[in-house]
Amino acid sequence: SQQGEEDPQALSIQEGENATMNCSYKTSINNLQWYRQNSGRGLVHLILIRSNEREKHSGRLRVTLDTSKKSSSLLITASRAADTASYFCATDAGNSGNTPLVFGKGTRLSVIA
Amino acid sequence: DAGVIQSPRHEVTEMGQEVTLRCKPISGHDYLFWYRQTMMRGLELLIYFNNNVPIDDSGMPEDRFSAKMPNASFSTLKIQPSEPRDSAVYFCASRPGPVGYNEQFFGPGTRLTVL
Repeated sequence: SQQGEEDPQALSIQEGENATMNCSYKTSINNLQWYRQNSGRGLVHLILIRSNEREKHSGRLRVTLDTSKKSSSLLITASRAADTASYFCATDAGNSGNTPLVFGKGTRLSVIA
Repeated sequence: DAGVIQSPRHEVTEMGQEVTLRCKPISGHDYLFWYRQTMMRGLELLIYFNNNVPIDDSGMPEDRFSAKMPNASFSTLKIQPSEPRDSAVYFCASRPGPVGYNEQFFGPGTRLTVL
């Protein structure tokens, strides 16, 4: 079953603009992860934020986590055409380390040069 | 490290045929996952293994699907008999340890088309 749900489903922006994607989930978690998938390729890990963290940065990526609202956001600053991809949030079941990640359906980001 | 290796990359078969997808996880990773991706249903977890033992196969759609992990460096996902609705991209992923501290590494996927 789907745990995370991304919003919006699709996003189109101009190069240089910021892109914000949101993720909501249903149950308690150990961590939340964001992945990117380029067309025809496998998923690539971007960033992991633990349940006791509120914000994390990695290069042009900024992730926030609000466990009280069961939501996360991924911000890509100064977007580039190469950022065009689908972005997925993924969560675990929360009670044990021995669980898989469950993925949402993703946000399709198009960055127009 | 070569990453997670999947074969074949593309498979076209006819309905009723047996299909076997293969995966070599990253050496030293304790967990192996099989996912299926379609436009309609997104990325679905089919089954996962910990130390070669199947832990949860509740995502396997029906008895036509089976998965094995005979050793730490190899896993197969078999569909017998295949049906057109099995057409999807199948991903294998591996992880070095518990989910709380570790990302999952995905293979390039196998695109399956059942005619």
